[in-house]
Amino acid sequence: EDKVVQSPLSLVVHEGDTVTLNCSYEVTNFRSLLWYKQEKKAPTFLFMLTSSGIEKKSGRLSSILDKKELFSILNITATQTGDSAIYLCAVGNSGAGSYQLTFGKGTKLSVIP
Amino acid sequence: DAEITQSPRHKITETGRQVTLACHQTWNHNNMFWYRQDLGHGLRLIHYSYGVQDTNKGEVSDGYSVSRSNTEDLPLTLESAASSQTSVYFCASSVNRNTEAFFGQGTRLTVV
Repeated sequence: EDKVVQSPLSLVVHEGDTVTLNCSYEVTNFRSLLWYKQEKKAPTFLFMLTSSGIEKKSGRLSSILDKKELFSILNITATQTGDSAIYLCAVGNSGAGSYQLTFGKGTKLSVIP
Repeated sequence: DAEITQSPRHKITETGRQVTLACHQTWNHNNMFWYRQDLGHGLRLIHYSYGVQDTNKGEVSDGYSVSRSNTEDLPLTLESAASSQTSVYFCASSVNRNTEAFFGQGTRLTVV
């Protein structure tokens, strides 16, 4: 059974701190790993990673994938209260012509002033 | 702007009733998905479709059905609503396989 595990499940930091969110996975036929941010409603797409060791960056957020050790991290530097959200990791796996996303349970990040 | 919309946003229904949740996207995406999100479980795949007339079961498909008669719409039907189906339902779409999926705003369904 495919599995995606995120840690920690919740995290409280002060504005300006740097945080690292973790995602490990066990899936057959790995194709990609995706990060989403979920505030009050719909998850919004952040990154998709397919190759090991290549960092993706967007402003204060960055992410990297290690396909040998089967994990990814999402870093947020100089956190702001607007970063408070649930961060979801999903792994895309394919087989027999199908492609599905398996999600972890998420990390709830709270940034306090 | 192209988008994905779900309706209704909130619904309360009684046990045993048939309920249909609508999902409409204007991106002309081939792939569409339905997920449910519950505390402690994260997002779980209910059904998905890779194109018109194509539907597939996901991880938690029992009690749900979908149909895909055109590219834009993938309605989700609960045949006989049960309290265990109280959840937040998200529809998503992607342009093709192995690309990011974009989510609708969600439908909060309560079965009483």
